[in-house]
Amino acid sequence: AQSVTQLDSQVPVFEEAPVELRCNYSSSVSVYLFWYVQYPNQGLQLLLKYLSGSTLVKGINGFEAEFNKSQTSFHLRKPSVHISDTAEYFCAVTLVGGYQKVTFGTGTKLQVIP
Amino acid sequence: DAGVIQSPRHEVTEMGQEVTLRCKPISGHNSLFWYRQTMMRGLELLIYFNNNVPIDDSGMPEDRFSAKMPNASFSTLKIQPSEPRDSAVYFCASSSRAGGGETQYFGPGTRLLVL
Repeated sequence: AQSVTQLDSQVPVFEEAPVELRCNYSSSVSVYLFWYVQYPNQGLQLLLKYLSGSTLVKGINGFEAEFNKSQTSFHLRKPSVHISDTAEYFCAVTLVGGYQKVTFGTGTKLQVIP
Repeated sequence: DAGVIQSPRHEVTEMGQEVTLRCKPISGHNSLFWYRQTMMRGLELLIYFNNNVPIDDSGMPEDRFSAKMPNASFSTLKIQPSEPRDSAVYFCASSSRAGGGETQYFGPGTRLLVL
């Protein structure tokens, strides 16, 4: 079975500063990886996903993530955050092949400070 | 496209009452998922349908919970009888197919409070 760990439950960062949200996964087989964002009182929406190919994945709103197989990581980065990026971010993993349950991390709350 | 539609958006009920949550997936999507989100347990998958057939209900907490998908454009999640520990935000999500790295599209959620 797969699992995903988001070590940071909250990350405060000043506006226009860079940010990295960490995600590590555990699986003995190939995986697909996702980052979803949840704004207050809304459902989750996809930021980006890694399926195959280039390990650097670019998503919406200037976010990007890098798949590192040796480190089993998929950290999310943005070079300069805005107030509007204040939200909760979820890393998710699913196994490659057929129907596979998507496992979500516990989420990281990004607090952008003016 | 209107996206995934859920109703009601908020529900307050008393312990022991029946609660029915509704979901309309995105047109053309074949897979539908029900999730529950709480502070303590995070986001949990309750049940998954593919082509209106329940495929994985291992996350349904107990017999008080039931879900149906009578057609491709409608699903319900019912709790009977409801208990205070069922208080949570319930999300419905749909995707064009399950697996294969498909994106799940989430509805706005139903915030349930059981008193």
